[in-house]
Order: sequence, then C-alpha cells, then structure tokens
Amino acid sequence: NAGVTQTPKFRILKIGQSMTLQCTQDMNHNYMYWYRQDPGMGLKLIYYSVGAGITDKGEVPNGYNVSRSTTEDFPLRLELAAPSQTSVYFCASSPWGLEQFFGPGTRLTVL
Amino acid sequence: AQTVTQSQPEMSVQEAETVTLSCTYDTSESDYYLFWYKQPPSRQMILVIRQEAYKQQNATENRFSVNFQKAAKSFSLKISDSQLGDAAMYFCAYRSSYGNQFYFGTGTSLTVIP
Repeated sequence: NAGVTQTPKFRILKIGQSMTLQCTQDMNHNYMYWYRQDPGMGLKLIYYSVGAGITDKGEVPNGYNVSRSTTEDFPLRLELAAPSQTSVYFCASSPWGLEQFFGPGTRLTVL
Repeated sequence: AQTVTQSQPEMSVQEAETVTLSCTYDTSESDYYLFWYKQPPSRQMILVIRQEAYKQQNATENRFSVNFQKAAKSFSLKISDSQLGDAAMYFCAYRSSYGNQFYFGTGTSLTVIP
C-alpha cells in the first residue's frame, strides 16, 4: 500500500501559467480532499469529493478546479497561476469522511 | 465557517514531562467531531486522536489524551511522558456531523527539550 501519493513534490510556476497537481490513493477510499497550507497557518479546504463523479467546494475554491473520474485519482487544476497561490498543497483521503490519510504535500511557488 | 483557535503558537516541554496544548472552537451545532493532528518536519500529517461530541468520555490513545469540555467549547491535548519524537506542529480540527468539511486551527509548535 502506497497510501496517498502526490506529484510533483516541488514546482515553480510563472504568473499566468497553468498546472495540475496529481493525487492518487490506493486504499479504495470514497472521500478525497485538497487543502492548502500557507506559512504559519492551518490547512484550508479547497475542494473535496465524496465519491467518483461528485465534487464540492471547500473554504477557498477560487482559482482551482477538480475532477474525480475514478475512485483513485483526484487531480487539482490551477488555471492562470497567481502569487497568492504560493503554498503547500496536501491531498487526503478517507474511508468514511472522518479519519483522513494525508499525502506528503506539494510545495508550489508562483513567481 | 467554523472557527478553530489555537492560542499557543509555540510550546516546549522537557523530555518525560507532561504538556497540554489548548484548542477552542466556535459552533452552534450539537453534534460534531474534533481531532488532533501531528505534523512533523517531514510535513506528513498524522491523526493523533479523535473525539465525538456525543461521547462524554474523553478519548485516549496511549500517551495522548484529551480534555473535552463541550459547554466551554474547549478541546485540549495532553501528552504524557513526552518523547523527542513528539516534537512537531500540532493542529486541532473540527468537522460537523452534518457536513463534510474540516476546519483547522493555526497550529502549535511543540519543542521537546532533552
């Protein structure tokens, strides 16, 4: 079991570029989440999914998009990257929506 | 949005001693879940302990226990017999029973002094 994997680990983007952060879990969990963690702050929920084909907005969804075509994958799309999106991004999964299993994070810098 | 407050940005404890980390939250709901997560320097978030609001008994996991005061909306984490490996950021989190969103506090950085 690899658990929750995220790629890439690090990325530098220029303002206005787009990219997709990948997240995959091999635990057959229904729930998946995307968070961002800014320096000195807690995690803020961007989007979540309760199953394949179902996604919903979290606290800070602006500037992001997600899709959930399979149980395993939950990619996060950044369109028109802005400096305010510089952050560490965490993906998590959960079998029943309570205990979350986190990936190792992606550090994104937008210059 | 729910608010979770951790008023102690940094704490330190001597190895083998006991430390308590504080967390308060704001909600009008009666049924919810509370969590403590640990984030070591590796950045990987790990669940430490979970408390269901409908349970009066405080949750315990080995050296980790909570003091859940529902009326005061307080949820503190006690770490007994502190070990060097306990050094990390600790985050308190809230989840309503009626929704799927989690709300995190800003964290407490715990240093363990040998």
